[in-house]
Parts: sequence; C-alpha cells; structure tokens
Amino acid sequence: QQQVKQSPQSLIVQKGGISIINCAYENTAFDYFPWYQQFPGKGPALLIAIRPDVSEKKEGRFTISFNKSAKQFSLHIMDSQPGDSATYFCAASKDDYKLSFGAGTTVTVRA
Amino acid sequence: DAGITQSPRHKVTETGTPVTLRCHQTENHRYMYWYRQDPGHGLRLIHYSYGVKDTDKGEVSDGYSVSRSKTEDFLLTLESATSSQTSVYFCAIRRRQGATYNSPLHFGNGTRLTVT
Repeated sequence: QQQVKQSPQSLIVQKGGISIINCAYENTAFDYFPWYQQFPGKGPALLIAIRPDVSEKKEGRFTISFNKSAKQFSLHIMDSQPGDSATYFCAASKDDYKLSFGAGTTVTVRA
Repeated sequence: DAGITQSPRHKVTETGTPVTLRCHQTENHRYMYWYRQDPGHGLRLIHYSYGVKDTDKGEVSDGYSVSRSKTEDFLLTLESATSSQTSVYFCAIRRRQGATYNSPLHFGNGTRLTVT
C-alpha cells in the first residue's frame, strides 16, 4: 500500500513548456515533502523540499506547491529543458528520517 | 555520490543462493538505509540503521536481513534469493545539515540484481 500516490506515470513536454507532477498523501503526520530527480544509471538526488508550514517554495525553475487541507503537493518545472529529462519522485515522511516514495514520473522534454 | 559506494554494481545469481550487497560510506553518518526500486513502485524501504548494531525493518523487509558492525558499512543479505527480489537496490545515508529538519537522504548509484 503506497503511502504517497504520484501522477502522471509519464509526461512529454516541449522545450520551454511547463511540467507538472502531482502527489497525494493520507498520513497527516507527514511533515517533510521532498522531490528527488533521477537520471538513468544513477541514484535519486534531492531536488527541492518543503515543510507544511509554507504553501510554496521555489528554487530556480523548480517550484513545489503544497495544499495541506487537500493533502496534495506538486512539482512545477518551468521553462523545461532537455536536460530536465529524468524520473522524478515525490516523497513524504514524519521527522524526515524514513521516507515513503511515490511511484515516479518519467519526464521527457522534446527539443 | 555523496561518499557512498555500493558493491557490486551488477550481479546475476540463481534462485535459492545467498547474496550480500555492501554499502560503504566515508562520511561517518549515523543513519543508513536500503531501498529497492521497481517499476510502478518507486523506492521502497527494506531496512534502515540508526547506529552500529541498531537496525529496524522497513515496509518490504521479508526475505532480507541487514547487519552493521561498523559505522561505515551496511550490509544487505538475501538469505535465499527469489525471482521477486530481482530489482535495483539503493543504499542511502541521512546527511545532517544543521537543524534536524534539514537532513535529506543521499543515495548511492545502486546495485542491479538479477535472480534467475
């Protein structure tokens, strides 16, 4: 039983477009919500993370939006570039020491 | 790679044989983790360790055991490998950065295990 549900499974976006990945969770005790980026043959790497006391966090072209009442959070990739082509995982945990991951979204950016 | 080395990187083994995967860190972090990655499931926690000889189960621990006799090494053992354990296995460390709430996981590059 996956504690974090992620969608879509894959998406294709044109260069310069916006990629949006959504995640939902049930456990209201979760208080740490990171996103990881993974390239083929590599381990996942932390991209950006948010705590439930804020509704949005932006780092460069990557933005997390967080809706505590709906128990949902999303990753927006603005001005998508071919180098952003990767698999993205959302995750959640309580006290950030034991993460539960979503199933992953494969993003393909077409030049 | 955050100072994490996983070995071997690839392994093919037969059903019923024991297999041990090794994770070695160079940064003396207390928390270490083993995850498996499968299509459609993301990453699932197998076991984790919060210190030497201190380990606990994750959500998919059946068929796996772990040991941590030194801070730097965390071993994952499949006592009798099955085809359902064919997967990519990732080790991770929890790297403390200042306050407790800012401690992301850093992953190794994985071990691809095939059980035939």
